[in-house]
Amino acid sequence: DVKVTQSSRYLVKRTGEKVFLECVQDMDHENMFWYRQDPGLGLRLIYFSYDVKMKEKGDIPEGYSVSREKKERFSLILESASTNQTSMYLCASSLGGTDQNIQYFGAGTRLSVL
Amino acid sequence: DQQVKQNSPSLSVQEGRISILNCDYTNSMFDYFLWYKKYPAEGPTFLISISSIKDKNEDGRFTVFLNKSAKHLSLHIVPSQPGDSAVYFCAASAPHFNKFYFGSGTKLNVKP
Repeated sequence: DVKVTQSSRYLVKRTGEKVFLECVQDMDHENMFWYRQDPGLGLRLIYFSYDVKMKEKGDIPEGYSVSREKKERFSLILESASTNQTSMYLCASSLGGTDQNIQYFGAGTRLSVL
Repeated sequence: DQQVKQNSPSLSVQEGRISILNCDYTNSMFDYFLWYKKYPAEGPTFLISISSIKDKNEDGRFTVFLNKSAKHLSLHIVPSQPGDSAVYFCAASAPHFNKFYFGSGTKLNVKP
C-alpha cells in the first residue's frame, strides 16, 4: 500500500512565524503535490513537483514556497504565516510517467494561524 | 474560475436507496476523471475512475457515468450504506497533465 505521511496532524502558529509542513511518501513516486482544503472551495493546488529539486506553481502559490531535496520528501513552507492561511493542508503523491495517475493523499495537517 | 463543479454541497439518502452525486466540467480537454471519498480527519481516498473513451465504469456498488457532450459525470452508489457517509470529490485531468482539478465536494449522509 502507498503511504503518504504528513508530519503533523494539528499545528497552531502565530502570525508572522515561519512554518514548515513536511510530507514523506514511501512508494518512489515521481510526483508530489500540496493542496489546501477550505469549506466550499474543495482542494486547491498550491505547488507540485515532478522531480527532485523541481517545482511548479499551482493555482494558489502566493505566500507559499516548497522544497524537494529528496525524492520521497516534499516540504511546504509558509515564510510568514497569516491568518488567511488557516486551513487543512493535504499532501499527495503519484507515480508519474503516464498520463493517468491516481494521487494518494496523506491524512492532512490542520493549521491554525492566530 | 472553477473548471470542475459540484453544485450540490450536500445530499441525504436513506440506507438501501441509490445515491447520485453529480459533477460538471468546462474544459473539453479533460479526458480522465476520478472520484475520491473523504472522511473527517482523513485524507481523500481514491474510489473509482473513468477514461473519456468510456461512458461507464463499474466497481461493486459504485458506478461512474460520463456524458462527454454534456461535460457531466455522475457517481451512483447502490445500495447506499451508512458507512458511505463522507465528502465526495470529483477530479479531472487533461492529456499529459499530472495534476488534477478538483470540485468543491458533496457531503453525503446515508441515514439508517
